[in-house]
Amino acid sequence: QSVLTQPPSVSGAPGQRVTISCTGSSSNIGAGYDVHWYQQLPGTAPKLLIYGNSNRPSGVPDRFSGSKSGTSASLAITGLQAEDEADYYCQSYDSSLSVHAVFGGGTQLTVL
Amino acid sequence: QVQLQESGPGLVKPSGTLSLTCAVSGGSISSSNWWSWVRQPPGKGLEWIGEIYHSGSTNYNPSLKSRVTISVDKSKNQFSLKLSSVTAADTAVYYCARVWLMRGLPAFDIWGQGTMVTVSS
Repeated sequence: QSVLTQPPSVSGAPGQRVTISCTGSSSNIGAGYDVHWYQQLPGTAPKLLIYGNSNRPSGVPDRFSGSKSGTSASLAITGLQAEDEADYYCQSYDSSLSVHAVFGGGTQLTVL
Repeated sequence: QVQLQESGPGLVKPSGTLSLTCAVSGGSISSSNWWSWVRQPPGKGLEWIGEIYHSGSTNYNPSLKSRVTISVDKSKNQFSLKLSSVTAADTAVYYCARVWLMRGLPAFDIWGQGTMVTVSS
């Protein structure tokens, strides 16, 4: 199991808002390490969606936003669109494991 | 812009060595970036394998460290992964990725398309 815990799945209707949580501990998110989010469309490579907890790379719509508080982080998607159907992964660093990059288990978003 | 392309055998025998190469185009592997390998077993999540700098410095996932070697070939603008003593558990899509360091820690801003490697006799 991953050191970063995500819900296996979330769903929402077009136009709705959904959030995906990423829960860690005092050795990763809670220690102040940045959280990054990736979107993986079916059959494709992951794409950096949010970096440094809340920043969007150029070209990522502002419908996507990230936040962090305590030992958790969240990805919010507003105005849900069919093309948002994908797997989403959070990523951070864990000092107790000495692993430079740890990923959450991933969350499958279904647009109803 | 920088693009990454993985290549290598799609089938490896158990106990053998998995060897992959990632070609970097549109930029230099000697830029101020680290370069990484990440894998994804079928239907599962992402696992960081390790990373290399153009100087040859490396960092590995402790869970794989005894079996992993990542190397760089600056003359060919590429870096490589070797994973020894493979088993079926090493069957995965293997991605190479460019590391974007933020406050000294990585995010992955550019990814290759990935290559599927199956371990089977």
